[in-house]
Amino acid sequence: KAGVTQTPRYLIKTRGQQVTLSCSPISGHRSVSWYQQTPGQGLQFLFEYFSETQRNKGNFPGRFSGRQFSNSRSEMNVSTLELGDSALYLCASSLGPASLNEQFFGPGTRLTVL
Amino acid sequence: SQQGEEDPQALSIQEGENATMNCSYKTSINNLQWYRQNSGRGLVHLILIRSNEREKHSGRLRVTLDTSKKSSSLLITASRAADTASYFCARGYNQGGKLIFGQGTELSVKP
Repeated sequence: KAGVTQTPRYLIKTRGQQVTLSCSPISGHRSVSWYQQTPGQGLQFLFEYFSETQRNKGNFPGRFSGRQFSNSRSEMNVSTLELGDSALYLCASSLGPASLNEQFFGPGTRLTVL
Repeated sequence: SQQGEEDPQALSIQEGENATMNCSYKTSINNLQWYRQNSGRGLVHLILIRSNEREKHSGRLRVTLDTSKKSSSLLITASRAADTASYFCARGYNQGGKLIFGQGTELSVKP
């Protein structure tokens, strides 16, 4: 069974631009969660989608948004990029809700904002 | 932090020694999960322990959960250099249904 895939793996953007990251979960998994990882802050929860609905949201500004499609693939979008958005963005999938199930992580997208 | 703490932040031991990492939480959880992250393999799930369980084992890993103290420990026995990684606990909260990760413990195992 294929694992969680994320595209692109690396991205360089400039301040003010927007970016869209993509995540394909393991086949059959209905929950997709997104995390931001930075050296100083650890893994910060962004949001979780379950069956195309946002189930939970972390404490991030409205510039961060996401969605999930009927095939469970998910995208997250960051608008008006700031330098502080530079981070590793991780996607994880699970069979059921993230808080109740083992998470399978993708390799991440490394975003650099210049 | 609002979610709890992990300690120590960093741990350096010799091969063959045991390593213990701790994780605390503040409100009711459904389960607590432990993950490992190293540069080569990304984040990998290790063990999930539910709130009605007290101890779980997986190979050289042993996880305990004390709900009265709102804390969990991960013990790695007979450590190897390949165990060098960051270890994270993640709290599966009942209220709000979020899975929240801690800051992690950096473990270095010296050959």
